[in-house]
Amino acid sequence: KQEVTQIPAALSVPEGENLVLNCSFTDSAIYNLQWFRQDPGKGLTSLLLIQSSQREQTSGRLNASLDKSSGRSTLYIAASQPGDSATYLCAVKTSYDKVIFGPGTSLSVIP
Amino acid sequence: DAGITQSPRHKVTETGTPVTLRCHQTENHRYMYWYRQDPGHGLRLIHYSYGVKDTDKGEVSDGYSVSRSKTEDFLLTLESATSSQTSVYFCAISDRAGGDNEQFFGPGTRLTVL
Repeated sequence: KQEVTQIPAALSVPEGENLVLNCSFTDSAIYNLQWFRQDPGKGLTSLLLIQSSQREQTSGRLNASLDKSSGRSTLYIAASQPGDSATYLCAVKTSYDKVIFGPGTSLSVIP
Repeated sequence: DAGITQSPRHKVTETGTPVTLRCHQTENHRYMYWYRQDPGHGLRLIHYSYGVKDTDKGEVSDGYSVSRSKTEDFLLTLESATSSQTSVYFCAISDRAGGDNEQFFGPGTRLTVL
């Protein structure tokens, strides 16, 4: 059974720092991995989608990597800003109809 | 932002009453999903649809039914609401299957069952 974990559960950093969020999954047979951010009381906003054949994706200050063989993905955020404060979730698509979400990392960027 | 709306955004109801949540999209995407989000459980798939009148069960489908009579609308019904169904419900859409299946989420509906 696929399980998705995220470490750390919470992270607090000063503004301007580069940071890495981690996502691990137990079964490497995935279709894709998607990173989302969720602001309090809001829906999920898609950040990056990495297909199983890809190694990384970049969007602005965000870079996500995928290592299927080790069951890991990282989300790198460069030059963090207070507006980056949110919960970040990763999700793996394991079959036609199954997407398994991690519990999320709560990020706080201190001005 | 993908054009996804959910209604109502907040609802309080009593145990045993029927409740219907609506998801409406303007993107003409084929696939639609209903999730619930609970502390300690994260997001879990309830039901999904892969076309008009084509639906299937997800991980936590007991006590829920869905219908999709038009591409743009996906309804989630709680036939007889229970307190365990107190949750935040999210609708999501995507236009592809397989590895290119990027999902976009609606703003959520907060449901409280007393």
